[in-house]
Amino acid sequence: AQKITQTQPGMFVQEKEAVTLDCTYDTSDQSYGLFWYKQPSSGEMIFLIYQGSYDEQNATEGRYSLNFQKARKSANLVISASQLGDSAMYFCAMREASGYSTLTFGKGTMLLVSP
Amino acid sequence: NAGVTQTPKFQVLKTGQSMTLQCAQDMNHNSMYWYRQDPGMGLRLIYYSASEGTTDKGEVPNGYNVSRLNKREFSLRLESAAPSQTSVYFCAIETGLRVSNSPLHFGNGTRLTVT
Repeated sequence: AQKITQTQPGMFVQEKEAVTLDCTYDTSDQSYGLFWYKQPSSGEMIFLIYQGSYDEQNATEGRYSLNFQKARKSANLVISASQLGDSAMYFCAMREASGYSTLTFGKGTMLLVSP
Repeated sequence: NAGVTQTPKFQVLKTGQSMTLQCAQDMNHNSMYWYRQDPGMGLRLIYYSASEGTTDKGEVPNGYNVSRLNKREFSLRLESAAPSQTSVYFCAIETGLRVSNSPLHFGNGTRLTVT
């Protein structure tokens, strides 16, 4: 069963606008971590932001914030004031804390930022 | 990329040929991973090694073997390549102490084409 769902194959946003990339997840664990990665056209995987399931505050890293709604099992990435360099593929991922769990990725959302 | 070196960067194989993808870290982290990335599929885990001397199957292990040669090196072998193994392969290391909140850091990837 798919654990991470990213329903938006592609998103378009104008420069300087904010954009939200959706991510929902499925787990029965109480303790888990949620991650977002960026993959620009050059191909490398860049870690952006982390949210723990017990964290009370939404995570923020510069222009990136994670809108964490635990009851809805959603972990949306919000990029404020989009820049042309934000054009990339974005992946949501989850890791459960029970046992030795590995990082499971969603299928990704391609974000294009236009001038 | 957090000291993860993958070789080669590109490779073209004919069906039935074999090859080994190399991954080395310049740090002292225990856990290492091999993922493959295919269009529309996100990243899928092939094999991982939680510590030196141990390896475990991930989501898509068929057609692959791995070796954790020492703490620094984790190689992925294709014994008889098939066109379905055309993909981008990423090696990753885990840099944190706790499993659930530890982001993976990735190498730059190996683009493999099997004809």
